[in-house]
Amino acid sequence: GEDVEQSLFLSVREGDSSVINCTYTDSSSTYLYWYKQEPGAGLQLLTYIFSNMDMKQDQRLTVLLNKKDKHLSLRIADTQTGDSAIYFCADYTGGFKTIFGAGTRLFVKA
Amino acid sequence: DTEVTQTPKHLVMGMTNKKSLKCEQHMGHRAMYWYKQKAKKPPELMFVYSYEKLSINESVPSRFSPECPNSSLLNLHLHALQPEDSALYLCASSQDRTGGEQFFGPGTRLTVL
Repeated sequence: GEDVEQSLFLSVREGDSSVINCTYTDSSSTYLYWYKQEPGAGLQLLTYIFSNMDMKQDQRLTVLLNKKDKHLSLRIADTQTGDSAIYFCADYTGGFKTIFGAGTRLFVKA
Repeated sequence: DTEVTQTPKHLVMGMTNKKSLKCEQHMGHRAMYWYKQKAKKPPELMFVYSYEKLSINESVPSRFSPECPNSSLLNLHLHALQPEDSALYLCASSQDRTGGEQFFGPGTRLTVL
């Protein structure tokens, strides 16, 4: 079945760039999403990329998609302590189902 | 209004209680979802309503009973829950079946004693 994998932890210093990686298995992905979840809160959609794109930039966020390798990454420039959260990669292939990765916990050290 | 609201924020219930979780959105979205999220895990899909009709039930036990009274409201009725049902219950909505972009509510933190 479809699967989405992410590394579980990432630790960076404030002001550095963070890169969170994700791999997925489904070849029929249409959209790939990045969600952020702060402690005790719901998921917040950060950004998404359509499967026929290879890059999308939105202020401090850059999404890169390598469709051949089924690899997605989220780069956060100038990471701040407020960026500390869990980041979920999600694969939407149609219908109502979105496959979520396990989430990457980002720690930002001051 | 681009918000999904959920009530209550926290709920503690015994195994013999009956309670309901509520979710509301006023974005004109026609698909609404219930997810269950355990600590340090991704959300797990439970139910999807599309145009007020149940479209997906991910083999959820019958002690969870969803209801969609209208296009803006989604309820989850709880009865005879088990301690392992303790989790964060998230509601989400999306425009319709053609897009996956989902807007999530803040969740209800449920504890079953």
